[in-house]
Amino acid sequence: RKEVEQDPGPFNVPEGATVAFNCTYSNSASQSFFWYRQDCRKEPKLLMSVYSSGNEDGRFTAQLNRASQYISLLIRDSKLSDSATYLCVVPKGGSQGNLIFGKGTKLSVKP
Amino acid sequence: DAGITQSPRHKVTETGTPVTLRCHQTENHRYMYWYRQDPGHGLRLIHYSYGVKDTDKGEVSDGYSVSRSKTEDFLLTLESATSSQTSVYFCAIKGSSTEAFFGQGTRLTVV
Repeated sequence: RKEVEQDPGPFNVPEGATVAFNCTYSNSASQSFFWYRQDCRKEPKLLMSVYSSGNEDGRFTAQLNRASQYISLLIRDSKLSDSATYLCVVPKGGSQGNLIFGKGTKLSVKP
Repeated sequence: DAGITQSPRHKVTETGTPVTLRCHQTENHRYMYWYRQDPGHGLRLIHYSYGVKDTDKGEVSDGYSVSRSKTEDFLLTLESATSSQTSVYFCAIKGSSTEAFFGQGTRLTVV
């Protein structure tokens, strides 16, 4: 299994739709996980952190399944402004705690 | 805003020339990172620093060197730029809970 793997998409959805992205990871010892959002030609920005079974922030819900080693991101009531690439991020492990970034899932929300 | 500034933001240079990219942070973070981002590869760690004069290699360190003589500055040097080093370079700092916060990026083209 790759360290972090995501479906690259693109996911093309209409406004108002619910969309879910999955991410699998290989380091079973990882304790914290992150979803980042990256707009075209911009830096990645932290969207959500996931430390236990899941986290919810408004229209966004992140869930963690440790047994199957996957993380999901659910976006409800999609907005045009949600169009971006979503990066799944997992700590590499070890004392330095470096991060491993997935290649990202591209989302395009259409009117 | 994590107080990270990268310079220059854009640079075009010729093959074989040395190039130095600068990352400056204002919040006294111990850990700093240099990543490169390329289509199909996602974000890959070049080098990182865990304190003044303390640096280590990431997964794609060949052809790059770094220096950190002050807490606030982390320099990335391409000793002799090659076309394969054309990329977008992001500096990042480590937040309080392992997450990373990024600078705005430097777009480097080697011709």
